[in-house]
Amino acid sequence: EVQLLESGGGLVQPGGSQRLSCAASGFTFSSYAMGWVRQAPGKGLEWVSVVSGSGTGTYYADSVKGRFTISRDNSKNTLHLQMNSLRGEDTAVYYCARATFGYTNSLEYFQHWGQGTLVTVSS
Amino acid sequence: EIVLTQSPATLSLSPGERATLSCRASQSMSNYLAWYQQKPGQAPRLLIYDASHRATGIPARFSGSGSGTEFTLTISSLDSEDFAVYYCQQRSNWPLTFGGGTKVEIK
Repeated sequence: EVQLLESGGGLVQPGGSQRLSCAASGFTFSSYAMGWVRQAPGKGLEWVSVVSGSGTGTYYADSVKGRFTISRDNSKNTLHLQMNSLRGEDTAVYYCARATFGYTNSLEYFQHWGQGTLVTVSS
Repeated sequence: EIVLTQSPATLSLSPGERATLSCRASQSMSNYLAWYQQKPGQAPRLLIYDASHRATGIPARFSGSGSGTEFTLTISSLDSEDFAVYYCQQRSNWPLTFGGGTKVEIK
């Protein structure tokens, strides 16, 4: 059974940093792209970032480019999102998600999702 | 960026009725569209991928159709557990984008 468990959420001040992690199990981690999708309170889904299975390809939404960094450790089956220069509009539940197919171009849907971790940016 | 516009924003229906949800893309994207269901406090669940293929474990009452710029999710007969918010998502181009969602509520 695929399991994704996020951690690292919490309250952070504007301009601050936070690192999210996602522990994966139940599948061959390095075979699938992984991503982060966020949802602001009462709002819709917003794609944030994707990293390829090998870790060499990374993709970002314009809203986070230059501030967030996605990475993965295939030896530990773990996904990370380093978030810097945080703003109020980054307040959201952040979901870790696994790609559906394992395509090399990483342009994918998300078959499996974690339960999410809440990041609140406020002073 | 491909903008996905979902309509209607809210659909008020009774159990047993048919639901038809629309997702329109700002540019043609072949069949690279998925549908998700999200219930309050839960993560999204993939229902349909590549416009018309049901994901594993999804009941047959859910079906998807369309290509190019016009896509439809149909729930043939609403079950009580189907009242939720539905999102479409494209994988044709970066950035990946989601539609704004359609809430299916009990009438």
